[in-house]
Amino acid sequence: GAVVSQHPSWVICKSGTSVKIECRSLDFQATTMFWYRQFPKQSLMLMATSNEGSKATYEQGVEKDKFLINHASLTLSTLTVTSAHPEDSSFYICSARGRAADEQYFGPGTRLTVT
Amino acid sequence: KQEVTQIPAALSVPEGENLVLNCSFTDSAIYNLQWFRQDPGKGLTSLLLIQSSQREQTSGRLNASLDKSSGRSTLYIAASQPGDSATYLCAVTNSGYALNFGKGTSLLVTP
Repeated sequence: GAVVSQHPSWVICKSGTSVKIECRSLDFQATTMFWYRQFPKQSLMLMATSNEGSKATYEQGVEKDKFLINHASLTLSTLTVTSAHPEDSSFYICSARGRAADEQYFGPGTRLTVT
Repeated sequence: KQEVTQIPAALSVPEGENLVLNCSFTDSAIYNLQWFRQDPGKGLTSLLLIQSSQREQTSGRLNASLDKSSGRSTLYIAASQPGDSATYLCAVTNSGYALNFGKGTSLLVTP
């Protein structure tokens, strides 16, 4: 099956710093990638949709200047949390959708803790 | 805006029982519906995908049904095992292909 990786799997950073999370589709080309966020005991909430070669589309309430998304190739999307604050601590999960498949393939997630 | 609700929020059953998890959604114009499993602190494992034109899908001890017109889906787990303990998430896909998730049902199967 299709495999999506995320790096890092966990990261601890200090308040005010920036953190980059990578999402890679390892064995297929992903025309669209999605970034989700999951707070403790909550479900996954879509943050943004990124299509290769174009600007990401952000969901209402998600600050595009704070959560920078780059989808520079068909196998890589990055999410950069800029000037991180403790309230940004969460579990960030990406998913990738290929050209032909209806199914999305999820990465293993990245646990971000901001101190 | 699509709203996905899962009932119950938590469930504890003894090993061997058959059980049903429920999912409802407000906008019936969906492309598909998926059931996922999530273990604590982990990512998602896709269990079953039902296209909007389908009524059910089966995989091993799992059976998922879809009634699109009424906005409901059920996940049936037969002969539950302690290894089935996890959070089960229901998600629907509307236009744009992003998934709308429910809050999940936390399942505990006791030996």
